[in-house]
Amino acid sequence: EDQVTQSPEALRLQEGESSSLNCSYTVSGLRGLFWYRQDPGKGPEFLFTLYSAGEEKEKERLKATLTKKESFLHITAPKPEDSATYLCAVQANSGGSNYKLTFGKGTLLTVNP
Amino acid sequence: DVKVTQSSRYLVKRTGEKVFLECVQDMDHENMFWYRQDPGLGLRLIYFSYDVKMKEKGDIPEGYSVSREKKERFSLILESASTNQTSMYLCASSFILHDEQYFGPGTRLTVT
Repeated sequence: EDQVTQSPEALRLQEGESSSLNCSYTVSGLRGLFWYRQDPGKGPEFLFTLYSAGEEKEKERLKATLTKKESFLHITAPKPEDSATYLCAVQANSGGSNYKLTFGKGTLLTVNP
Repeated sequence: DVKVTQSSRYLVKRTGEKVFLECVQDMDHENMFWYRQDPGLGLRLIYFSYDVKMKEKGDIPEGYSVSREKKERFSLILESASTNQTSMYLCASSFILHDEQYFGPGTRLTVT
């Protein structure tokens, strides 16, 4: 069974204090790993897809990286508006349900001014 | 931009009522999904549809059914609502089955 574990569950940063969120996964052949941002009371907003180990993607202050066992979401010099829950999801490359996204429980990021 | 809309942001229903949640996407996506999101459990897939009138069960289909009569519209039906179906319901769509999914704003359903 595919599994996704995100850590930490919650992270509090000061504005400008860079850090990383972790997503560890177990999947029978990774097709893709997805990062989403979710604001309170709203639906998840797509950020990145990573497909293979070594791949990196960037968007503003966010950079996502991927290894064979985990992904990191690096946040450089965060601002209060980066406060949100960040979700990681994996999609397997094989099996009957290879369309399915398996989500982690998320990391709640709070950036204080 | 992909736009996924859901018929209600908040809904309160009584136990035993039949409940319809509607989702519409405007990007001609083939695939549509229904999830529920609960604290401590994350997002769980209820049903998905890969074409008009086609559907497949997700991880937690019990107590739910779906309908997709038009490509852009995907409905989730609670045949007889129960209190354990109180949750945030999220609709999503994707162009290719293995693509990223785009989510709607969610419907927070309370069953009393």
